[in-house]
Amino acid sequence: NAGVTQTPKFQVLKTGQSMTLQCAQDMNHNSMYWYRQDPGMGLRLIYYSASEGTTDKGEVPNGYNVSRLNKREFSLRLESAAPSQTSVYFCASSDRLDSSYEQYFGPGTRLTVT
Amino acid sequence: EDQVTQSPEALRLQEGESSSLNCSYTVSGLRGLFWYRQDPGKGPEFLFTLYSAGEEKEKERLKATLTKKESFLHITAPKPEDSATYLCAVQAHGGATNKLIFGTGTLLAVQP
Repeated sequence: NAGVTQTPKFQVLKTGQSMTLQCAQDMNHNSMYWYRQDPGMGLRLIYYSASEGTTDKGEVPNGYNVSRLNKREFSLRLESAAPSQTSVYFCASSDRLDSSYEQYFGPGTRLTVT
Repeated sequence: EDQVTQSPEALRLQEGESSSLNCSYTVSGLRGLFWYRQDPGKGPEFLFTLYSAGEEKEKERLKATLTKKESFLHITAPKPEDSATYLCAVQAHGGATNKLIFGTGTLLAVQP
């Protein structure tokens, strides 16, 4: 039981390049989330998916797109990377969207945009 | 506006020296308050959920408590392996999502 896994662990991009961050969970959770973590800012929600087939914007969605591929997988795409997107990205999952179930986090992807 | 403030930003303790971390929150209606531990280079690890004022939860040397305006994470006789960043997050009633609002964390260093 791996929990939440993310790939890649590290990535360096040049401004304007695109990439997709992958996330998968094996806990049979319905809801999945993408966060970014910046020094002094705390974790901020980018996008979330209540269930397979649905996605919604979070607090900081600009410059990102997501796909809920199936119940297990939730990907985050940067179409044209900018230096402001340098951050650590975490994927998380929880059992249900509409209740106070705790979220479980992956190990993170450390992205640098030059 | 819903907000979470954690203090202190950093705390250095000697092994065995007990202390408390604070999480103050402003939220329209509290659905749940969560404590996480985050080690360097890792994702946050879930510790506790508290739902209502007066509630307490314990795990090894950690005890979390909740009032109507703040939560405390008490660390009793800490060990070096308790060194980490401790994050607090709240979830508000009324939203359609399980959106968590995070504080910026307290960096705890326990010296042997």
